[in-house]
Amino acid sequence: EAQVTQNPRYLITVTGKKLTVTCSQNMNHEYMSWYRQDPGLGLRQIYYSMNVEVTDKGDVPEGYKVSRKEKRNFPLILESPSPNQTSLYFCASSSVGSYNSPLHFGNGTRLTVT
Amino acid sequence: AQTVTQSQPEMSVQEAETVTLSCTYDTSESDYYLFWYKQPPSRQMILVIRQEAYKQQNATENRFSVNFQKAAKSFSLKISDSQLGDAAMYFCAYRKGAGGTSYGKLTFGQGTILTVHP
Repeated sequence: EAQVTQNPRYLITVTGKKLTVTCSQNMNHEYMSWYRQDPGLGLRQIYYSMNVEVTDKGDVPEGYKVSRKEKRNFPLILESPSPNQTSLYFCASSSVGSYNSPLHFGNGTRLTVT
Repeated sequence: AQTVTQSQPEMSVQEAETVTLSCTYDTSESDYYLFWYKQPPSRQMILVIRQEAYKQQNATENRFSVNFQKAAKSFSLKISDSQLGDAAMYFCAYRKGAGGTSYGKLTFGQGTILTVHP
């Protein structure tokens, strides 16, 4: 089954404790991206990657890191989480061939930073 | 920068009735794509319908249709014969077409919570 898999689904942590949210897709997509969803703000892009070893900032990259060492994986790293990073996070992927290719989303990770 | 605005934080509809969700956007681009996504309580993001800006004909997917007014920069979603399973948060989204940076980036509206009453 074609899918984007995020883990964990829920995560509670404390300020300053490094964490990684994993994302993996099995569709051989070149493009992958991370979004955060906050009430009243919709979803906003954090980082994206056009292919292996190619990453770039989205609209809200502060406090986040990403890496793309393999085509299928695109982890999101919070080196020193803060309470303002409490949010719902989505990973998404798509092929690069067509501009109306839909984004395939993971099921989200609910992060709480205390 | 492109912006997408959904001015209705919440909407409600009776089962079997029709409801329209509003979306406006701002862009200086001529080539772009518009989408409606549904997010049920499970948090999945489900693509409902998409529209290419160069197409004049409004997109339709079964009970879902759009009213795309390019000059007015409006992209509303109409749900006909509403069902209980349509209850969800709905997001309008914009994606720039070919060229430039930020390939593939979706710009989302704030979302509209749709309640369906039996």
